[in-house]
Amino acid sequence: KQEVTQIPAALSVPEGENLVLNCSFTDSAIYNLQWFRQDPGKGLTSLLLIQSSQREQTSGRLNASLDKSSGRSTLYIAASQPGDSATYLCAVSLRGANSKLTFGKGITLSVRP
Amino acid sequence: SAVISQKPSRDICQRGTSLTIQCQVDSQVTMMFWYRQQPGQSLTLIATANQGSEATYESGFVIDKFPISRPNLTFSTLTVSNMSPEDSSIYLCSVDSPEETQYFGPGTRLLVL
Repeated sequence: KQEVTQIPAALSVPEGENLVLNCSFTDSAIYNLQWFRQDPGKGLTSLLLIQSSQREQTSGRLNASLDKSSGRSTLYIAASQPGDSATYLCAVSLRGANSKLTFGKGITLSVRP
Repeated sequence: SAVISQKPSRDICQRGTSLTIQCQVDSQVTMMFWYRQQPGQSLTLIATANQGSEATYESGFVIDKFPISRPNLTFSTLTVSNMSPEDSSIYLCSVDSPEETQYFGPGTRLLVL
């Protein structure tokens, strides 16, 4: 059974800091991995999608890497801003495109002005 | 990207009653998913709803407790039946996309007293 772990559960950093959020998964036979952002009282917003054949994806100040063999992914946030404060979740898909997602519990990030 | 709305956005219900949650998408989609996010927990898939067929339920979830309808390619409902306080959660619907990511609705926050 696929399990996704995100540690720590919460993180507080000063504005401007570069930071790395970690995600690990137990079954390396994934189809893709996604990072989502969830703001309080809101739904999920997709940030980055990495296919199993890819090593990384970039969008603006965000960079996500994938090491399938070791079961790890990282989300790098450059020059963090207070507006980045949210919960970040990673999720993996095993079977194929648009199939079931298995989520981690998320990391709640607080960026202090 | 798809725009997804859910109704109601939140509700407080009495034990033993049922609540039907609606999910509306602004475009036709093949697959719709229903997730539950219990307090402090990760998102867990309840079922996958395809138009024209019965929903496929994940282990631990049954049709009698969570009946789902999918009358067309833009709409689905999830009913939480015979509710107990343990059903207090955020319920989210999501849809597939050609980009292989999933788009999520804003969620329905349910409190059962």
